[in-house]
Amino acid sequence: AQSVAQPEDQVNVAEGNPLTVKCTYSVSGNPYLFWYVQYPNRGLQFLLKYITGDNLVKGSYGFEAEFNKSQTSFHLKKPSALVSDSALYFCAVRDPGGSQGNLIFGKGTKLSVKP
Amino acid sequence: EPEVTQTPSHQVTQMGQEVILRCVPISNHLYFYWYRQILGQKVEFLVSFYNNEISEKSEIFDDQFSVERPDGSNFTLKIRSTKLEDSAMYFCASGRRTGRDSPLHFGNGTRLTVT
Repeated sequence: AQSVAQPEDQVNVAEGNPLTVKCTYSVSGNPYLFWYVQYPNRGLQFLLKYITGDNLVKGSYGFEAEFNKSQTSFHLKKPSALVSDSALYFCAVRDPGGSQGNLIFGKGTKLSVKP
Repeated sequence: EPEVTQTPSHQVTQMGQEVILRCVPISNHLYFYWYRQILGQKVEFLVSFYNNEISEKSEIFDDQFSVERPDGSNFTLKIRSTKLEDSAMYFCASGRRTGRDSPLHFGNGTRLTVT
């Protein structure tokens, strides 16, 4: 069965430091991978996606993510964290052989950036 | 930038009552979805809808649930007889086109509390 794992419930980073939010996936075939961010009392906002091509994808708000097929990972990164980046981050996958509509989400990682 | 809008933001209902959650997807989008997030848990897929019919539904989406697009703009989720375990945040999402690489755009959610 397809699944996504976010091993960290919370990540704490000092402002200005680099951040990484981890995600690993398990799907058959080549996955379509997404990162979404959820600010308090808001919906999920699309950040970036990996479909094919360059393993490093760039997205909104200075975020990027690196696809690593051998490690089945898609970690979210940012070179310099901002306090305003504090939010809940969700990794998600669509199995290209599976349903079109069904995004499978990880449980989320709370990012806390301190001044 | 166009947004997916959901009303109400918070709905409190008694067990056994019917509720209707409303969504206005982005106007040129053709694919519509409902997801839910029980407090502290994963975001889970409920149903997808295209061309006035359900494309796919999860195991959660049982006979108590139904969706409808009654006019050209609204997309509703009805729970016929609510249970305590239906308490969750319900997210509506829409997509512009088909394809598993197409990101979904989410509303801010309706928090449903069943007492």
